[in-house]
Amino acid sequence: DAGVTQSPTHLIKTRGQQVTLRCSPKSGHDTVSWYQQALGQGPQFIFQYYEEEERQRGNFPDRFSGHQFPNYSSELNVNALLLGDSALYLCASSTGTSGGETQYFGPGTRLLVL
Amino acid sequence: AQSVTQLGSHVSVSEGALVLLRCNYSSSVPPYLFWYVQYPNQGLQLLLKYTTGATLVKGINGFEAEFKKSETSFHLTKPSAHMSDAAEYFCAVSGGSYIPTFGRGTSLIVHP
Repeated sequence: DAGVTQSPTHLIKTRGQQVTLRCSPKSGHDTVSWYQQALGQGPQFIFQYYEEEERQRGNFPDRFSGHQFPNYSSELNVNALLLGDSALYLCASSTGTSGGETQYFGPGTRLLVL
Repeated sequence: AQSVTQLGSHVSVSEGALVLLRCNYSSSVPPYLFWYVQYPNQGLQLLLKYTTGATLVKGINGFEAEFKKSETSFHLTKPSAHMSDAAEYFCAVSGGSYIPTFGRGTSLIVHP
């Protein structure tokens, strides 16, 4: 059983560009959450998708947007990249949205903005 | 509002010694509490979680944690450290709004 997969593993962009990160959830999971983890910090919640809709959102600007497809996979889009967007972006999948469910994390996409 | 404080950005122990990683939280509603481990260049893996019921929670790899409401704590322990336990550990809390909040992490260093 494949766990959560993310692509690409690494990415280098320049300021002002746009980026799309992809996530495939663990088999049987219908909920996908995205996190940003800056170097030396804990993950920060960006948003959560369930039934193809954004259900919860953390304190991130509108430059961060997402999408969930009918097969539950998800994309994270970041527009007008800033140097401060350099981080590890983690995707996590789960079943349900109660808050107490176990989340399974992917290995992440490391984004470097120059 | 909710928050997590992990005391000590680095904890160093000898192999075979007790591991104690501290986590204090604040939450305006009954919390869900989690401990995750992150190895270099990997995602997070759940060690254990508290939702309701028994306050002493046992997890994988011999770790356990106790929810103490009066102390707003959820400290992680392991009786005997192994070299393979060296990693970054994160405590997290989620409450009624679900949006989870993570601590800044504690790096566990295990000396032979």
